[in-house]
Amino acid sequence: QSVVTQPPSASGTPGQRVTISCSGSSSNIGSNNVYWFQQLPGTAPKLLIHSNNQRPSGVPDRFSGSKSGTSASLAISGLRSEDEADYYCAAWDDSLSGRVVFGGGTKLTVL
Amino acid sequence: EVQLVESGGGVVQPGGSLRLSCTASGFSFDDYGMHWVRQAPGKGLEWVSLISGDGGGTYYADSVKGRFTVSRDNSKNSLYLQMNSLRTEDTALYFCAKVLASGIWGQGTLVTVSS
Repeated sequence: QSVVTQPPSASGTPGQRVTISCSGSSSNIGSNNVYWFQQLPGTAPKLLIHSNNQRPSGVPDRFSGSKSGTSASLAISGLRSEDEADYYCAAWDDSLSGRVVFGGGTKLTVL
Repeated sequence: EVQLVESGGGVVQPGGSLRLSCTASGFSFDDYGMHWVRQAPGKGLEWVSLISGDGGGTYYADSVKGRFTVSRDNSKNSLYLQMNSLRTEDTALYFCAKVLASGIWGQGTLVTVSS
C-alpha cells in the first residue's frame, strides 16, 4: 500500500472532463511538488505535469494539475480515446529522507 | 537527442545477483541525479533508488535497502544498480530516469527472479 492514494479507476466519455485525485500527507504532497505521469501499455511513463501544475513542452493544455494542502488533482478536459492509460502521481517524502513516493495509479477508461 | 538505455536484465534464481546498467546520452550526465524505478508485472510504479550527480548521495526504498547498491561512472555516462539477494518479489521492469521533472526515462530492462 502506497502512502499516496489514488482511486484505482476512473472513466469518462469523449469530450468530457475527468479528474484524478492524489491524496497524501504533510510530509509528501503537503510540502513538496507533485508530478503526474501517463503510462500507455508497454511503454515508459511520460511526464504530464511537474511542480504541481506545470506542463512540459509538448503536453496538450487539456491536461492540468492542481494542489491544495495534502491533496493534488489531475484534470483532463476534452477527453479523447488516446487518453486511455494509467496515471500516476508522485512526490518526494521528507519523512523518508530523500525518497520518492508514487501513488498506486489510476486506470482511465474512455467509454 | 537525450536518451537513456538500460541493459543487464535477465532471469536469475532467488538469492542471486544481477547488475543493471543505464547509459545516458545527449545531456551533461554529471549535472543530474538519477533514479531507478521499477514496475512489477501488472502493478504500479515503485521508486527504488536515487543517486546524486556526483555520486555522493544515495537513497533507497525500504524494500531494497541493504540488498541493492546504486552507483555511477560519470566518465562513462553510466548509472548502475547492483542487485544482491534477489527475491521473487523483485521481478519487475526496471527503468532508469533523469530527475523527475525532466521527463526522461529509459525503456526499461526486465528482471525475472525465479527458480
